[in-house]
Amino acid sequence: QSVLTQPPSVSGAPGQRVTISCTGSSSNIGTTYDVHWYQHLPGTAPKLLIYRTSDRPSGVPDRFSGSKSGTSASLAITGLQAEDEADYYCQSFDSSLRVYVFGTGTKVTVL
Amino acid sequence: QVQLVESGGGEVQPGRSQRLSCTASGFSFSTHCIHWVRQAPGKGLEWVAFISQDGNIKYYADSVQGRFSISRDNSKNTAYLQVNRLRADDTAVYFCARELVAVAGDALDIWGQGTMVTVSS
Repeated sequence: QSVLTQPPSVSGAPGQRVTISCTGSSSNIGTTYDVHWYQHLPGTAPKLLIYRTSDRPSGVPDRFSGSKSGTSASLAITGLQAEDEADYYCQSFDSSLRVYVFGTGTKVTVL
Repeated sequence: QVQLVESGGGEVQPGRSQRLSCTASGFSFSTHCIHWVRQAPGKGLEWVAFISQDGNIKYYADSVQGRFSISRDNSKNTAYLQVNRLRADDTAVYFCARELVAVAGDALDIWGQGTMVTVSS
C-alpha cells in the first residue's frame, strides 16, 4: 500500500550532499498532514530523523534537513558520513484512505 | 528509560493465529497512540495498524483488514496485535511504535526492537 514513492538508491562520496525525494499526492503530502523521515539499519529499530516536515529530534545532527513542496517532500543529508549508510523512509497520513503510509524506501550508500 | 518491548513472535503454520504484545515503560502509556509496523524479509517498512489512546479509534492497512485486530490495556501498559488466518506473506518483523503527539498523522518517535513472525508449514 505504498502510495509514497522514493528512489530505490542514492549514493555520494564522504562530505557530499545527497537528497532523497518522496512523491505523494493531494490526499497525503499535498494536504496539511506532515511528512516524517526515518533512518533504518537492518536488524535495528527504525529511528525518527525528521518530524513534521522539517523538525529534528534531539540528538539528530543538523546535517539532516527536511522540506516539502506541493505533493512532494525531500530529505537532504549534507556532509555525508560513512555512518549515514542506511535505509531511509518517508511517512505521512493519507486522508482519503484513512491510513498511515510509508514511502518505498531509499538505500543510501557512501562511496 | 523510555522503551517499547515486543513479544509473542515465532514460527506459526499458515491459517493459524498469534497474539503479539507491546509493553511500554518509562512514559505515560495511556496518553499515546500506538502503531504496529512490519518489515518482510528484503522489503520496506509497511504500516499495519493504529490505535488511539483510549482504544476507541482503530485503523488498519488494507492488507490486514479483517484478519488483524489491534487492542490495548492501559492498566498493563501493553498494546496487542491479534494476527489471524496467517499467510506466508505475513512473515515479517513486527515493530510497535509510539506516536509522538495525539495529532492525526504525527511521527512515530519511539520504536521497539521488533518481534519476528514466520509463517511456514
